[in-house]
Amino acid sequence: SQTIHQWPATLVQPVGSPLSLECTVEGTSNPNLYWYRQAAGRGLQLLFYSVGIGQISSEVPQNLSASRPQDRQFILSSKKLLLSDSGFYLCAWSPDGLSNQPQHFGDGTRLSIL
Amino acid sequence: DAKTTQPNSMESNEEEPVHLPCNHSTISGTDYIHWYRQLPSQGPEYVIHGLTSNVNNRMASLAIAEDRKSSTLILHRATLRDAAVYYCIRVNSGNTPLVFGKGTRLSVIA
Repeated sequence: SQTIHQWPATLVQPVGSPLSLECTVEGTSNPNLYWYRQAAGRGLQLLFYSVGIGQISSEVPQNLSASRPQDRQFILSSKKLLLSDSGFYLCAWSPDGLSNQPQHFGDGTRLSIL
Repeated sequence: DAKTTQPNSMESNEEEPVHLPCNHSTISGTDYIHWYRQLPSQGPEYVIHGLTSNVNNRMASLAIAEDRKSSTLILHRATLRDAAVYYCIRVNSGNTPLVFGKGTRLSVIA
């Protein structure tokens, strides 16, 4: 069966510090991968998605970036965090090319910027 | 733009059926209708999806209008654990990311 792992579960970082959140998927190959963010009391906002290694689409221009160094690994990064980067970050995957299959979400990382 | 319309909130008594409506009047013929729910402090969880026919699974039922302009998620017996935000989403192709609207916040009263 397929599983998705996201870590860390919680993170407290000072303003201006770097960020690296990692997401890995097991039990499938060539998945579509997604990063979403949910600010406190708000809806989910798509940040990045990837349909293959090295292929990243950005939905919202900001100080975050994403990389996909391996087929089942998706990394969210920042060189300098802002206060507005606080939120609940969610990684998700779906099977390649099939609109009748659901997306599966990780447990999320709750990021607080001080 | 989520392209679906849902009530902001609904309330149900425990062990009663719940009908959560969704309007998607501009839906195209190839759009699937997916439902997800998000429990407090958790990531979204897939509930059910369909294209034209009504669908049933262990979690819920999905009733799709004949003209496909609306659908209803049916929880047959609401429990306290069903209290969550429910999202109705149009999905056009397998590689398209989900676009989440504000969803419907369901409260379940014991």
